[in-house]
Amino acid sequence: GNSVTQMEGPVTLSEEAFLTINCTYTATGYPSLFWYVQYPGEGLQLLLKATKADDKGSNKGFEATYRKETTSFHLEKGSVQVSDSAVYFCALRANFGNEKLTFGTGTRLTIIP
Amino acid sequence: DADVTQTPRNRITKTGKRIMLECSQTKGHDRMYWYRQDPGLGLQLIYYSFDVKDINKGEISDGYSVSRQAQAKFSLSLESAIPNQTALYFCATMARNGRNEQFFGPGTRLTVL
Repeated sequence: GNSVTQMEGPVTLSEEAFLTINCTYTATGYPSLFWYVQYPGEGLQLLLKATKADDKGSNKGFEATYRKETTSFHLEKGSVQVSDSAVYFCALRANFGNEKLTFGTGTRLTIIP
Repeated sequence: DADVTQTPRNRITKTGKRIMLECSQTKGHDRMYWYRQDPGLGLQLIYYSFDVKDINKGEISDGYSVSRQAQAKFSLSLESAIPNQTALYFCATMARNGRNEQFFGPGTRLTVL
């Protein structure tokens, strides 16, 4: 079945540091890939997505590239801010079947001033 | 106003009690989902519905039931709550147009004593 493996947290960085959160997946075919973000006390929000190999999703300074050869979708940001502190979830959706999302376990990110 | 609302936001109950969690949406989406979130496990799909007459089990449906009363409303019931159902519950919606983005409610924190 489909699965998503995410870098375990928590991750603590200083403001303006470079961020990478690793995500790899197992799926048949060509799934769509997502990063969701959950701020404290809120539901999940879509951060970015990519629907085919070599696509790069980007939003709010975050980027992730769909790498079919390494089955990866790592999240990066060049200079993090305190406001980026949140839990980040990698997810995939198979492009057939019931359209459900398969989530990773989440990575808690804390940025200190 | 929020597009996806959940009530209650917090609930403490006792083992054996019947509990209903409600979700309403103003986005006009056909698809609705119920997830639970446990620390270290990410989100797991409980039930999903593609329209009012369509209900499907997810990964962890045992102990839960749902009702899709209208396109905009999707309720989750715990017929006889048990302590291991203590979790954060999220409702989500998605449009039929295949753009893959699910929109999440703010969550209901349920504690079963």
